[in-house]
Amino acid sequence: EDQVTQSPEALRLQEGESSSLNCSYTVSGLRGLFWYRQDPGKGPEFLFTLYSAGEEKEKERLKATLTKKESFLHITAPKPEDSATYLCAVHGNAGKSTFGDGTTLTVKP
Amino acid sequence: EAGVVQSPRYKIIEKKQPVAFWCNPISGHNTLYWYRQNLGQGPELLIRYENEEAVDDSQLPKDRFSAERLKGVDSTLKIQPAELGDSAVYLCASSSRPSGGTDTQYFGPGTRLTVL
Repeated sequence: EDQVTQSPEALRLQEGESSSLNCSYTVSGLRGLFWYRQDPGKGPEFLFTLYSAGEEKEKERLKATLTKKESFLHITAPKPEDSATYLCAVHGNAGKSTFGDGTTLTVKP
Repeated sequence: EAGVVQSPRYKIIEKKQPVAFWCNPISGHNTLYWYRQNLGQGPELLIRYENEEAVDDSQLPKDRFSAERLKGVDSTLKIQPAELGDSAVYLCASSSRPSGGTDTQYFGPGTRLTVL
């Protein structure tokens, strides 16, 4: 059974204080690892897809990286508007996506 | 381009009552998903459709939950009768998933169900 564990559960940062979110996974045949952002009262919003170890993708202040066992979402110089819950999901040979429980990020001005 | 549309956004019912949720996916997306998200947790897949066919409903509690996707477009998820533990957010997502491939899912805003 595919499993995803995200840490920490919650992260509080000062504006401009860079940090990383972790997503550890076990999956039968990784076909893709996804990062989503979810704001309160809204559905998850797609950020990145990573397909193989060593791959990296960037978008504004966010950078996602992938190894064979985990993925990191690096946040550089965060702003208050980056506050949200960040979800990681893996898609494996079972043909479906398995989500972690997310990391809730709060960025204080 | 319009996103995934869900209705209602909120629903409050008493236990043992029936309830239904509706989803209209992004135009042209052949794959549709229903997820349940409990507070503080990630979404859990209930059912996945490829066109009209339910290809993965292993996590759907079939004694009380049912779903349909008529003509491979809109979908309805029903609960009858509802139980207290069904209180959650029900998310619909869609994708243009190639056969056997990996997809990017686009989510609707969800329906927040409260069972009293």
